[in-house]
Parts: sequence; C-alpha cells; structure tokens
Amino acid sequence: QIVLTQPPSVSGAPGQRVTISCTGTSSNIGTGYDVHWYQQIPGAAPRLVIYDKTKRPSGVPDRFSGSRSGSSASLTITGLLAEDEADYYCQSYDSGLSGSVFGGGTKVTV
Amino acid sequence: EVQLVQSRAEVKRPGESLKISCQGSGYTFTKYWIDWVRQMPGKGLEWMGIIYPGDSDTRYSPSFQGQVTISVDKSINTAYLQWNSLKAADTAMYYCARRDGNLNGMDVWGRGTKVIVSS
Repeated sequence: QIVLTQPPSVSGAPGQRVTISCTGTSSNIGTGYDVHWYQQIPGAAPRLVIYDKTKRPSGVPDRFSGSRSGSSASLTITGLLAEDEADYYCQSYDSGLSGSVFGGGTKVTV
Repeated sequence: EVQLVQSRAEVKRPGESLKISCQGSGYTFTKYWIDWVRQMPGKGLEWMGIIYPGDSDTRYSPSFQGQVTISVDKSINTAYLQWNSLKAADTAMYYCARRDGNLNGMDVWGRGTKVIVSS
C-alpha cells in the first residue's frame, strides 16, 4: 500500500538539476509530519540523504536539498554527477496507518 | 563505529520458520528505535514495523501485523524478525535500520539479510 506518490523516473545530464516530488495526503505530509529521503544504489542498502524535510546528515554533499509545501515534498539534486545515479525514496509517518510509509521510489538516471 | 550487523542469507522451504537478527554496536542500543524494512526483488522499500529496545515497545504496519514478529534481546544488543510459517511471497531482502525517534529519519542501516523461500 503506497500512500506517498513519486514519479517512477527522472533523468538529467551531468551538471544539471533534477527534482523528485513526493505527494502525500492530509494524514501524512499534509499534517506536518517530517519527510526523509533515502538514496539506494543498486546492490546496496539505503542511505539517508535528507531528514526532517530539509536537513542533511554529515557526509552528504550540499548538492542535495529538500523542501516541503502543503502535502508534498521534494528532493533536488543540483550539479548532477554520475555517482548520483540511484533510486530515491521519500518516507514519512501516516496517522491513518499509525506507522511509517515509503514512497514507491524514483530512479534517477544521469 | 556505529553499525548494524545482520545475519547471513537464508534459503528455506515454504512452511518453515525463520528468525533473522540485527546486532547494533558503537552506540547505546537501548536509546534508538530499530525498524525492519522489506524489499522484494526489483521492488521498492516497504516499512514492516519498529521496536524500541529500551522497553520493547513494538508497532507493526497493518500489512505485516500477524505475519511477522519483531522482538529484541537488549542484553546482546540484538533485534529480531521472525516468521512462523514462511511463504514463497516472503522471498525478499530484509533491512534493519535505527533512528532516535519513531518519527525521525533512519540514519544507520544494516547491509540486509536475503531470504529465499522455495520448494
């Protein structure tokens, strides 16, 4: 059951900017619950790249940024590098399900 | 170094039971929640449930409630995910991850345990 909607794929040339959307509802992002973003390179475990909508863990380059507006959130990658090619997932809390939920994932192609 | 070490890959028959583990080190295990996340072959991440080792408070996704059991042994800093009767549909990679609040981001992940259920 996917309650956070992401585009299946986005692509961009090296150096360009891409934005991944994550659309929720009034029971999750729209209520104000924090949104977190994960990067998953094929064959590896997910890695937290944005937490609490806009914050970056140490070690994550400032090319990654997050934002939220209403019931949606976005992850933007600027100055795209080949190493950014991966799947990206948003995650939040849903009060109707009383638990965490992930988006369906977006494949970024460089 | 903060890390979560997961148990090795498993190959099981339908109907068998299984318990996989996730051992934390490098931090105070009882002060961070542990999540379990499923990833079926070629598919996305699915949140299964969460446990707080400090008091064993456990929450499940409605999709997994009654299908699995999450537990913890804080004396050995280890969380578990258990099935009583596996199905072929349980074939997946299972990740554990930690966070310092049940609404926060999962900042450290295990490398995953691959479970294959096949007759």
